[in-house]
Formats: sequence, structure tokens, C-alpha cells
Amino acid sequence: DIQVTQSPSSLSASIGDRVTITCRASQSVNKYLNWYQQQPGKAPKLLIYGASSLQNGVPSRFSGSGSGTDFTLTISSLQPEDFATYCCQQTYSTPPTFGQGTKVEIK
Amino acid sequence: QVQLVESGGGVVQPGGSLRLSCAASGFTFRSYGMHWVRQAPGKGLEWVAVIWYDGSNKYYADSVKGRFTISRDNSKNTLYLQMNSLRVEDTAVFYCAREGSPDGYKSFDYWGQGTLVTVSS
Repeated sequence: DIQVTQSPSSLSASIGDRVTITCRASQSVNKYLNWYQQQPGKAPKLLIYGASSLQNGVPSRFSGSGSGTDFTLTISSLQPEDFATYCCQQTYSTPPTFGQGTKVEIK
Repeated sequence: QVQLVESGGGVVQPGGSLRLSCAASGFTFRSYGMHWVRQAPGKGLEWVAVIWYDGSNKYYADSVKGRFTISRDNSKNTLYLQMNSLRVEDTAVFYCAREGSPDGYKSFDYWGQGTLVTVSS
């Protein structure tokens, strides 16, 4: 199975900050890497698919980059509703695997 | 609008069985692969199983293989997960999710609200 490792596991940031979360796969996943946002008690929500494509309806302050084994999710200017847990997922091979999540908290 | 609504969760003793359902609406259900994903309390997401759009192929996580069975009824727009020989470590919120593939990249583009399964004596 392909392992997916996120860093950091948590971070504290202020409104308006630029936030970057990284995801590393144990082998190349090409661009088959997705990012999800999960609010407490809610289902995950797809933000980015194919490493860099913005899902319909997702604000443009979210962006993704990378290919192969190293990927990045960037929030250009953190908003109050962005405090949540973010998770990456590879769908290059079965089983699809998720990172352990990054919790973004208010500083 | 796309809606996925899970049901069937509850409290069950170790070794027991439960069947989860996921009712789909707002899209052509028979055209999409569907997944079950679970999340243990305070933990990350764990993929459980997938079934192809026509039910022709099914794949399972090693942790549930031989105990769980995924199925679908395209005439009823419903996805199922039959869970047998349940263990304490199966305690989790179970989500159904639709597989999208825009530009050829698979993702889970819509999720249900989740149903809680608690395995406890």
C-alpha cells in the first residue's frame, strides 16, 4: 500500500496568514493526490483534486501543487471558516490512502 | 443536488452484525463507483471498500476483508455495507462517498453525513 504522510500534524495561525501543508507519498502517485477539509462533526469536503485542480465552489484562496511524491496545499489568506482539519489522499492505486490530517487552529 | 444519506448505524456487541445503507439522489447513481470510508473517534479517515458503478468489481481494505461485504441496488439508488463479525476496533463513523473522476483523476467528490457504529459489550 502507498503510505501518505502529512506535515505538520497541527499548526496555529491567525486570520489573514498564509498557510502551507505538505503531503509526501511513499512512492510516486503522479498527480493522483486530493485534498479534503473536515470541520468537527462533519463529513470531509473535497477541495483539490488531481493535485492542483480546484473543486467547483471552493474559494480561490485554496491552491494545490506538486506531482510524484511531494505535494502542497496552500491557503493564501486564512479566513475564520478555514479553521478545520485538512487531509490528503492518494488515488493512484488501490487501496486509496489518506494522510493522518493537519489540524489548523486559531493562534 | 447530490445527496447521500447513510442509515443503519447503532450499538452492537462484538461478533455481531449490522447492515449500513446509503440512499443516493440528485445524480445518476448507476454511473458512479461508490466507496465506504470510516473514521474512528479522534482518528483519521480509513478507506473501507469500493464497488464499481455496475457492481462488477469490489475491493476491500485488509482490515475488513472476509467480514464486510459491499453491494448496491441500482434500481433503488442505494449502496450497502454488510458488516459481520464486528470487533471493538470497528467502532467508527461510516461515510459513503461518490467517486468522481474529473480530468481522469479519481476523487471522492460527495460524501454522506455519516452513521455511527459502536461495537461494545
